Amino acid sequence: AQRVTQPEKLLSVFKGAPVELKCNYSYSGSPELFWYVQYSRQRLQLLLRHISRESIKGFTADLNKGETSFHLKKPFAQEEDSAMYYCALRGANAGNMLTFGGGTRLMVKP
Amino acid sequence: NAGVTQTPKFQVLKTGQSMTLQCAQDMNHNSMYWYRQDPGMGLRLIYYSASEGTTDKGEVPNGYNVSRLNKREFSLRLESAAPSQTSVYFCASRENTEAFFGQGTRLTVV
Repeated sequence: AQRVTQPEKLLSVFKGAPVELKCNYSYSGSPELFWYVQYSRQRLQLLLRHISRESIKGFTADLNKGETSFHLKKPFAQEEDSAMYYCALRGANAGNMLTFGGGTRLMVKP
Repeated sequence: NAGVTQTPKFQVLKTGQSMTLQCAQDMNHNSMYWYRQDPGMGLRLIYYSASEGTTDKGEVPNGYNVSRLNKREFSLRLESAAPSQTSVYFCASRENTEAFFGQGTRLTVV
């Protein structure tokens, strides 16, 4: 079975503060990990994926297989980062099943 | 190029009524998914279809049925709606890594 856990339902920070949204997963094989974001009144959309090792809108995430984590980080939060963030996992042998965590609402205060 | 289109956007049903949520994608993707989004529980997979002609149960399939009518369309049916099925429903399609989401259907069962 594949499972994604986001322990924080709500994360509130001030503008300019560092942000870390936690994601832990359980999966026996080699997973693909993603972060999706849903801004207010918009569709859910891909933010970044671990295989790309990219930085999008200042966000980065590193896959730590030892700790089975894929935390999302940004050194300086902006107000426009306020949104709902979902960590997701696709297992290579899971028939294309894409599993999401419970989501973390990030609020960036001015 | 419309991406993933869901209909309707809003629906109110009485307990016991039936309805079908429609989803269509124009990106020639093989994989399609239905999720429900509930506060504090994130996105939970109801059913998915890895390719035309195949469907599989996700995490919360009870009370739902699906049909992969062709490569473009993947419908979700509630045969006898219950208040517990009040939720926001999202359809998604995927090819390779990124999943694309519809705008959601807000369903209320009274």
